[in-house]
Amino acid sequence: DIQMTQSPSSLSASVGDRVTITCRASQSISTYLNWYQQKTGTAPKLLIYTASSLQSGVPSRFSGSGSGTDFTLTISSLQPEDFATYYCQQSYNTPYTFGQGTKLEIK
Amino acid sequence: EVQLVESGEGLVQPGGSLRLSCAASGFTFSSYAMTWVRQAPGKGLEWVSAISNSGGTTYYADSVKGRFTISRDNSKNTLYLQMNSLRAEDTAIYYCAKKSLNYGYMKGDYFDYWGQGTLVTVSS
Repeated sequence: DIQMTQSPSSLSASVGDRVTITCRASQSISTYLNWYQQKTGTAPKLLIYTASSLQSGVPSRFSGSGSGTDFTLTISSLQPEDFATYYCQQSYNTPYTFGQGTKLEIK
Repeated sequence: EVQLVESGEGLVQPGGSLRLSCAASGFTFSSYAMTWVRQAPGKGLEWVSAISNSGGTTYYADSVKGRFTISRDNSKNTLYLQMNSLRAEDTAIYYCAKKSLNYGYMKGDYFDYWGQGTLVTVSS
């Protein structure tokens, strides 16, 4: 199975900050990498697919990049509603695997 | 508007069985593959199973293979997960999600809409 490792596991930041979350795959997955946001007590929501494509309706402050084994999710200017847990997920092969999550908290 | 509504929540003893349902609306259900993802209390996301749009192809995580069965009824716009031989480690919120393509698995696909989840508790 492909292992997905996110860093950091948790992050404190302030409204207006630029934040970057990293995801590393245990083998090359091309650009078959998706990002999800999950707020406490709610279902995950798709943000970015195939590494850099923004899902419809997602604010443009979210962006994704990377290929091969290293990927990043960037939030250009944090808003209050962005404090949540973020997960990366590979769709290179089955079983689909997720990173352990990055919890973004208010500083 | 795409809606996915899971049902079947329950408390079951180890070794028992439970069937989850996911009612879909707002899209052409028969055109898209579907999947189940679970989340143990306080833990991350774990993919469980996927099924092609026709139901002809299914995929399972090793942790549930041989115990869980995914199926669908396109005439009822409903996805199912039959869970047998349940273990304490199966305790989780189970989410159904719509896949972006019709194949049970395809490189580059993603889970674009999720239900609200249903809680399965396995305990004596």
